[in-house]
Order: sequence, then structure tokens, then C-alpha cells
Amino acid sequence: AQRVTQPEKLLSVFKGAPVELKCNYSYSGSPELFWYVQYSRQRLQLLLRHISRESIKGFTADLNKGETSFHLKKPFAQEEDSAMYYCALSEGETSGSRLTFGEGTQLTVNP
Amino acid sequence: EPEVTQTPSHQVTQMGQEVILRCVPISNHLYFYWYRQILGQKVEFLVSFYNNEISEKSEIFDDQFSVERPDGSNFTLKIRSTKLEDSAMYFCASSDLARHIQYFGAGTRLSVL
Repeated sequence: AQRVTQPEKLLSVFKGAPVELKCNYSYSGSPELFWYVQYSRQRLQLLLRHISRESIKGFTADLNKGETSFHLKKPFAQEEDSAMYYCALSEGETSGSRLTFGEGTQLTVNP
Repeated sequence: EPEVTQTPSHQVTQMGQEVILRCVPISNHLYFYWYRQILGQKVEFLVSFYNNEISEKSEIFDDQFSVERPDGSNFTLKIRSTKLEDSAMYFCASSDLARHIQYFGAGTRLSVL
């Protein structure tokens, strides 16, 4: 069965500092990986997905199949990045597949 | 931008009562989902629905739960006889055929007393 692990429940950095939110997964097939973000009192929204290879709001994430990781990085954190971040996995590029979520990391960016 | 809409935002019920949580998915989406998040725990998949039938369900989705698309716009989750442990945030999501991206509603907080 698939599993997603986010080892840090809380992460606190200062504005302008680099930030990395860790995500590891276990899945025997070819997964699709996502990062979702939930700002205070807002809905879960997609931040980025690995197949898009985009940079959204300065965030990037690279799928490392050897290490089964999909860490989220940003070189210079901003206060507005403070939010809950969830790593999620679905079973390949198949419509309708369930998402398996990690526990989430609460990121706080201090001024 | 179109959004998934969930009502009510907060539902309080007595143990043993039936509740129906409602969702209006994004209009051209064909896949619908329910997830739940118990306070302090991870978001968990409950069920997915496509072409008017359940396509996948988790072990959480037992006989107490059912889903329905009663008309062309609504997608509902019914809990037949609520238990204290059903207290959670319930999220509806929908996705289209092409992009495999699930869009989430704001959630319904269910409190079972």
C-alpha cells in the first residue's frame, strides 16, 4: 500500500531564509506526486505536481525515485508562505485515483 | 475561477442521527471524491465516484456511509447513524478527465455529540 511521510510537523524559518519541506513516499508502481497548500481559513489548493516541473510562487520540487522523495524547496521564504503544506501521492497518471496524503507540515515564516 | 462548494460549513448532530453532507463539484468535472480529516490527523480518502457509481472506496467507508449524485449538480455523503468518532472535517473534491488534478471544497466540519 502507498504511504507518504512528512517528518516535520512544524517548521519555522526567518523571512529570506531557504526552506525545505521534506516528503518521502513508498509505492511500488509509478506514482504521481503533488504538493497541496492550505493557507489559514482557506481550502486545500494545489501548489505543484511533479510532472509539470513548474515553479509556483518560487517553490520547486523534484521527484527523486532513488530516494523516494519529493521535497519542496524555496530559496527565499516570504511571510505569506506561512501555511500548512501537504505532500500527496496518486497511483500514476490515471484519472480518478485516490490521493494519499502525508501528515502535513505547518510552515511559519517569521519577519 | 470555478470552485467546489460544500454545505453546510459546520454541522452539529447527536450520536445515532443521520447526516447528509452536500457538495457541488465543478461543473465540467466527472470524478468526485470525499475525504475526511480527524482533528490532528492526516487527510484520509473515503470514496471516489464516476459515471454514477463508486469507483473506489477505503476501509473507512463502511456500510454506514453512502454517496449519491441525486441530480446533475449535487454530490452527497450520507452517514446513516453517526458515531462520536465520525467527528471530523469532510472534504469534497472533483477532477476532470484530462488533468488528474483534484480541486477541493472548503470542507464541512461535522461535530457528533
